[in-house]
Amino acid sequence: DAGVTQSPTHLIKTRGQQVTLRCSPKSGHDTVSWYQQALGQGPQFIFQYYEEEERQRGNFPDRFSGHQFPNYSSELNVNALLLGDSALYLCASSLVTSGRIDTQYFGPGTRLTVL
Amino acid sequence: AQSVTQLGSHVSVSEGALVLLRCNYSSSVPPYLFWYVQYPNQGLQLLLKYTSAATLVKGINGFEAEFKKSETSFHLTKPSAHMSDAAEYFCAVTGGYNQGGKLIFGQGTELSVKP
Repeated sequence: DAGVTQSPTHLIKTRGQQVTLRCSPKSGHDTVSWYQQALGQGPQFIFQYYEEEERQRGNFPDRFSGHQFPNYSSELNVNALLLGDSALYLCASSLVTSGRIDTQYFGPGTRLTVL
Repeated sequence: AQSVTQLGSHVSVSEGALVLLRCNYSSSVPPYLFWYVQYPNQGLQLLLKYTSAATLVKGINGFEAEFKKSETSFHLTKPSAHMSDAAEYFCAVTGGYNQGGKLIFGQGTELSVKP
């Protein structure tokens, strides 16, 4: 049973560039959430996708956008990168059951470094 | 609004000693509570969860946590620490589907285990 996978594992970009991170959910899951974890901090919720729509969004600027595909995989896009965007980006997947989102399972993360 | 406070950013115990990691939460709706563990350079692994069933929750690797509504606490314990328990531990809260299922994390507690 494949768990949550993310690509790439590491990425180095320069300020002002754009980046795309990818996530494949755990088999059977239909909901994907993205989190940003700065060094030494707890993860912060970016947004959540279900049925190819953004369902909820955290306190992140519009530079952060996403997409969910019909196969439930997802992308996180960040435009106009800032030094402060350097972080571990975590994807979590879950399943909606009886209208309730079940436990979220996390992938290994993508380490983004902005120079 | 929901929040989580983890008391103690760093806890050190001897191998074989009791592990106690503290978590207090604030939630305007009945909470779902989680403990996740993060090993260096890895994603988050679910240890255990409380979803309004039994107040004493048993998880993996010998960990357990007790939900105490009167104290708004969800402390994590393990009777006997093992060297392999050294990691970062995160407590998280969500209000369930009505809250969009987004997880609110604490700042984390780093557990060190001395031989």
